[in-house]
Amino acid sequence: DTGVSQNPRHKITKRGQNVTFRCDPISEHNRLYWYRQTLGQGPEFLTYFQNEAQLEKSRLLSDRFSAERPKGSFSTLEIQRTEQGDSAMYLCASSYPPWNEQFFGPGTRLTVL
Amino acid sequence: SQQGEEDPQALSIQEGENATMNCSYKTSINNLQWYRQNSGRGLVHLILIRSNEREKHSGRLRVTLDTSKKSSSLLITASRAADTASYFCATDGGGADGLTFGKGTHLIIQP
Repeated sequence: DTGVSQNPRHKITKRGQNVTFRCDPISEHNRLYWYRQTLGQGPEFLTYFQNEAQLEKSRLLSDRFSAERPKGSFSTLEIQRTEQGDSAMYLCASSYPPWNEQFFGPGTRLTVL
Repeated sequence: SQQGEEDPQALSIQEGENATMNCSYKTSINNLQWYRQNSGRGLVHLILIRSNEREKHSGRLRVTLDTSKKSSSLLITASRAADTASYFCATDGGGADGLTFGKGTHLIIQP
């Protein structure tokens, strides 16, 4: 399968714990995006990478959130000291300019107890 | 914050009928994209229309864009049960801040 993959698909954690999600984009795509989606809402942009450089971060991305994309390939999103409000679906997408279509992975559903 | 507003929020039609969904947005755009989401397949890209285009077709899909009114519509013709899903419009301002999605229209196709 050459689509965007995300792991894990589901994560249940206790409040205060740290969690890390991984995204593997389509191999030739140099742009990678993270979004968060809560029930009944559309996805909201979190951050964007072009190759290994993180070029934009939303104000939604608090200091507890950090994202990396070493070597411009896969990306990780870490949430430290999780809160119940962090419960959401975390989506990763990739694209390749000049085409602007973003291809989304299946998401990681986070539940914070 | 979410820029796009889809209308209606929910739509239920009979199989074979046409479904029309509308999207309004607030700021200037580089392009507008429509996505479909269901529990089985996640977010799937349907069609992209650029700011200098007015209409675009892809199979049973027809998208229009009116930049003067900051609105777009998605028409699905000859609907099928498999079209049951949530449909989102997403605007691309051309910057590095990703896509801005609306809240979506939940479409139900009744057999």
